[in-house]
Amino acid sequence: KAGVTQTPRYLIKTRGQQVTLSCSPISGHRSVSWYQQTPGQGLQFLFEYFSETQRNKGNFPGRFSGRQFSNSRSEMNVSTLELGDSALYLCASSLAENSPLHFGNGTRLTVT
Amino acid sequence: GESVGLHLPTLSVQEGDNSIINCAYSNSASDYFIWYKQESGKGPQFIIDIRSNMDKRQGQRVTVLLNKTVKHLSLQIAATQPGDSAVYFCAEIPYSGGYQKVTFGTGTKLQVIP
Repeated sequence: KAGVTQTPRYLIKTRGQQVTLSCSPISGHRSVSWYQQTPGQGLQFLFEYFSETQRNKGNFPGRFSGRQFSNSRSEMNVSTLELGDSALYLCASSLAENSPLHFGNGTRLTVT
Repeated sequence: GESVGLHLPTLSVQEGDNSIINCAYSNSASDYFIWYKQESGKGPQFIIDIRSNMDKRQGQRVTVLLNKTVKHLSLQIAATQPGDSAVYFCAEIPYSGGYQKVTFGTGTKLQVIP
């Protein structure tokens, strides 16, 4: 069974631009969560989608948004990029609440 | 969530020895725990999990112990190999509240000395 797939693996953007990251969950997993990982803050929860609905949201500004499609694939969008948005963005899928989170290899975003 | 800081505690182990990595958790209502391994440039990889109604669970070369009295979790790796070198961290997942409530432990960097 294929794992969680994230594209692209690397992105370099300049301040003020916007970016869209993509995540394909494990087949059969309907829950997709997004995390930001930085050396200083560790793993920070962004949001979770289940059956195309945002079920939970973390404490990030409105510049961070996401969506989920009917095939469970999810996208995350960050608008008006800031230098502090440089991070590894991880997507995780799970079969149900209170079940294992399986992570992708992430998208490394660098904002210059 | 909070974990994996710049200055991670490091555990150096000789190849072939056993490794023990510890994690203290904060929420006594946490119901489910997972250990992850994260290699450089990769996402966290699921290793083993344990529910709060268990004290011990074994996998291939790995054992997780849960002590609910002192809110402590440990990961034991038997016969540590160079490929085990990575950052390891635990995650505690409450029974309800969604994945926003997941707390990730401070990572430990495991260095295996050949």
